[in-house]
Amino acid sequence: DTGVSQNPRHKITKRGQNVTFRCDPISEHNRLYWYRQTLGQGPEFLTYFQNEAQLEKSRLLSDRFSAERPKGSFSTLEIQRTEQGDSAMYLCASSLAQGASNTEAFFGQGTRLTVV
Amino acid sequence: SQQGEEDPQALSIQEGENATMNCSYKTSINNLQWYRQNSGRGLVHLILIRSNEREKHSGRLRVTLDTSKKSSSLLITASRAADTASYFCVPNQAGTALIFGKGTTLSVSS
Repeated sequence: DTGVSQNPRHKITKRGQNVTFRCDPISEHNRLYWYRQTLGQGPEFLTYFQNEAQLEKSRLLSDRFSAERPKGSFSTLEIQRTEQGDSAMYLCASSLAQGASNTEAFFGQGTRLTVV
Repeated sequence: SQQGEEDPQALSIQEGENATMNCSYKTSINNLQWYRQNSGRGLVHLILIRSNEREKHSGRLRVTLDTSKKSSSLLITASRAADTASYFCVPNQAGTALIFGKGTTLSVSS
């Protein structure tokens, strides 16, 4: 297992375009998280899944953001009608939840989005 | 979900010195986790301490947890330049997401 994989690593897009990022978690992990991080700040939580169920999405930044994990394996994060303020690093993490408790999360290297 | 509040926001020390970072949180937890982020290795889990534990060690790291004061500390002994990074505490309740705060930025100079 190579850990959490995110693709693409870098994405440059024009304002107004839609972008989709993919995250492949560690295979046996049932929880998957999405975060956004800007320079000098900690990771900002966006949403998370347990298997295919999206447990919290109220912190998605706007209705332009959506995420899916259709078969409980990989996940996608889509941003519609991108704005310059969406430029950031988007991080994915996975963990093996034991009951309701979180264990350690493993992070991918992130997708750096630049909106021009 | 809750986030921890790390203190200090920034810390500068010399190689060989010890570094102590503190974390406070607001409501009861199942466990508390510490993470490190540097430019080379991204965001990495360091240590998890459960609510019924008071102290935990891992190599040069020592974590304490005081649930009565809702606080935790991370001690890094004999710091190295490679310890230069941001450190985050993540207090965790059952059934909630992992929420990160602003972190403590540690600079270790040689």
